[in-house]
Amino acid sequence: GAGVSQSPSNKVTEKGKDVELRCDPISGHTALYWYRQSLGQGLEFLIYFQGNSAPDKSGLPSDRFSAERTGGSVSTLTIQRTQQEDSAVYLCASSLFREYGNIQYFGAGTRLSVL
Amino acid sequence: AQTVTQSQPEMSVQEAETVTLSCTYDTSESDYYLFWYKQPPSRQMILVIRQEAYKQQNATENRFSVNFQKAAKSFSLKISDSQLGDAAMYFCAYRGYTGANSKLTFGKGITLSVRP
Repeated sequence: GAGVSQSPSNKVTEKGKDVELRCDPISGHTALYWYRQSLGQGLEFLIYFQGNSAPDKSGLPSDRFSAERTGGSVSTLTIQRTQQEDSAVYLCASSLFREYGNIQYFGAGTRLSVL
Repeated sequence: AQTVTQSQPEMSVQEAETVTLSCTYDTSESDYYLFWYKQPPSRQMILVIRQEAYKQQNATENRFSVNFQKAAKSFSLKISDSQLGDAAMYFCAYRGYTGANSKLTFGKGITLSVRP
């Protein structure tokens, strides 16, 4: 597709359930980022993938959060045993690593609501 | 660690007027990038303008321009001839220069409303 695609657009789940959020980056973009946008914390970095390098996981808030990127393209963010504080919009962005200025292009996000 | 501060949570402007959104940041790096992103209700973040720290000239994109004061660590966005479609949340963001430090650090954002 032309832009970053995220699915689902909205997800409602019960506390304690696991959820998977998907991100399909712009074709050819080697860098992929996950961010979380919540009312209390604003926009926070979660994890960064670049090519075949080890991901930068420094922003993951707990070991309930994990992410993988298969084949250097699609990424899945998994939240295990969801808690109400996980309710937020999860945004994915991709960029051309070598591009001057490394502009990040964002998807429309997944709004996660944990009941 | 870098921080970005947007101290105004909300602003309002009359259509066709000019408005300035403020942003300050803190960093120990000498080379970096600064961005303004717009987030309409659709949630998709859209890049408005970018500034490279090593450039003294302020960036301009049509009706959008910045006032970059490196010594003061200030990066404000000026929107000229405001339009109804400019109503959105605006985020100021910082990015380090090297690829390994390419994550964005955002301010808390400002909600801009445009009065017809």
